Amino acid sequence: AQTVTQSQPEMSVQEAETVTLSCTYDTSESDYYLFWYKQPPSRQMILVIRQEAYKQQNATENRFSVNFQKAAKSFSLKISDSQLGDAAMYFCAYRNQGGSEKLVFGKGTKLTVNP
Amino acid sequence: EAQVTQNPRYLITVTGKKLTVTCSQNMNHEYMSWYRQDPGLGLRQIYYSMNVEVTDKGDVPEGYKVSRKEKRNFPLILESPSPNQTSLYFCASSLRSPTGTEAFFGQGTRLTVV
Repeated sequence: AQTVTQSQPEMSVQEAETVTLSCTYDTSESDYYLFWYKQPPSRQMILVIRQEAYKQQNATENRFSVNFQKAAKSFSLKISDSQLGDAAMYFCAYRNQGGSEKLVFGKGTKLTVNP
Repeated sequence: EAQVTQNPRYLITVTGKKLTVTCSQNMNHEYMSWYRQDPGLGLRQIYYSMNVEVTDKGDVPEGYKVSRKEKRNFPLILESPSPNQTSLYFCASSLRSPTGTEAFFGQGTRLTVV
């Protein structure tokens, strides 16, 4: 069974600074997808960024980018120019390609942004 | 607007009193699932459905039932709720696709069983 590990229960960053959230996963599959979801206090689950395992290029969405290391099974999220609105719980998630659409989540990292 | 709608948003109930949390999506997605979120555990899948009349257990199915009589609806049923089912519940739907489309989540249901 696949597992996702987020080793940082909490992180903090100063506004306008850069922060990196860590995520590692375990799978024997070669084709899969990785996601970062943001959960603000409203509880809504918001997709931040996704990465297809077959793509070598790291995904980027505005201030959010990932460092995808397939061999190391690592998928970190970098937030540049942090804003107060980035404060939230962040979940890393894994999904196999094909078959079940099940998402396997890490335990989450709570990000605090200090003014 | 494409969305997944859960009801209710908040629910307090007593042990043993049957309840249903509804979930509806308007995107014609085949795949729907239920997750529960607990502090320090992340989200765990309870049940999922690949299509109408096709459901299967996720990782933590004990104490829950589901049904998928229509493509848009996927209710979660707690026949006899217990305090250990106090949690935050999410319904999600996605379009089954080899390109891996994203999952859309409902707003969440905060359930407290006393």
